[in-house]
Amino acid sequence: AQSVTQPDIHITVSEGASLELRCNYSYGATPYLFWYVQSPGQGLQLLLKYFSGDTLVQGIKGFEAEFKRSQSSFNLRKPSVHWSDAAEYFCAVASQGTYKYIFGTGTRLKVLA
Amino acid sequence: ETGVTQSPTHLIKTRGQQVTLRCSSQSGHNTVSWYQQALGQGPQFIFQYYREEENGRGNFPPRFSGLQFPNYSSELNVNALELDDSALYLCASSLPTGLAGNEQFFGPGTRLTVL
Repeated sequence: AQSVTQPDIHITVSEGASLELRCNYSYGATPYLFWYVQSPGQGLQLLLKYFSGDTLVQGIKGFEAEFKRSQSSFNLRKPSVHWSDAAEYFCAVASQGTYKYIFGTGTRLKVLA
Repeated sequence: ETGVTQSPTHLIKTRGQQVTLRCSSQSGHNTVSWYQQALGQGPQFIFQYYREEENGRGNFPPRFSGLQFPNYSSELNVNALELDDSALYLCASSLPTGLAGNEQFFGPGTRLTVL
């Protein structure tokens, strides 16, 4: 079955520290991969996406993610976290040629001043 | 350019009632998807509408139904509400083709509480 795992439910980092959020997926074919961010009371905002090509993807707000096929991972990184990055982050996958996104359970990020 | 809008923002219903949630897609988008996000969970795909036809469905019972109108806006209807239907309902619109490769733009959601 297709699935997405975000192993970390909560992560706390200090402002200015680096960040890595983990995402592992289980999918038969090469998937489309996404990272979304959700602030309280808000919908989901796309940070970045991977379809093909360069496995290191740059997104908005200084985020990047690396697709590692051998590890079935698509981890999100940011070199220096800002207090405004505190939110919930969701990894999602979709199969090429289909319509359905499968989301992970999310990682809640807390940023300490 | 207007983004995806949803109404109402919040809704309280009792068990057994019926509810209709509404979504206006982003300009130029003819595909609308609906997701249910229970507290502490990721969004779960309910179904998608493309050119006024259901284009795919997740693991939700038939009491979850939808419509898409010629202007591409959409409704989600839930009959015989159950307590477990309490959730944030998200609508997402995307560019033509309806394929997953197209980015989905999400609305702010409707928070449904079933008592």
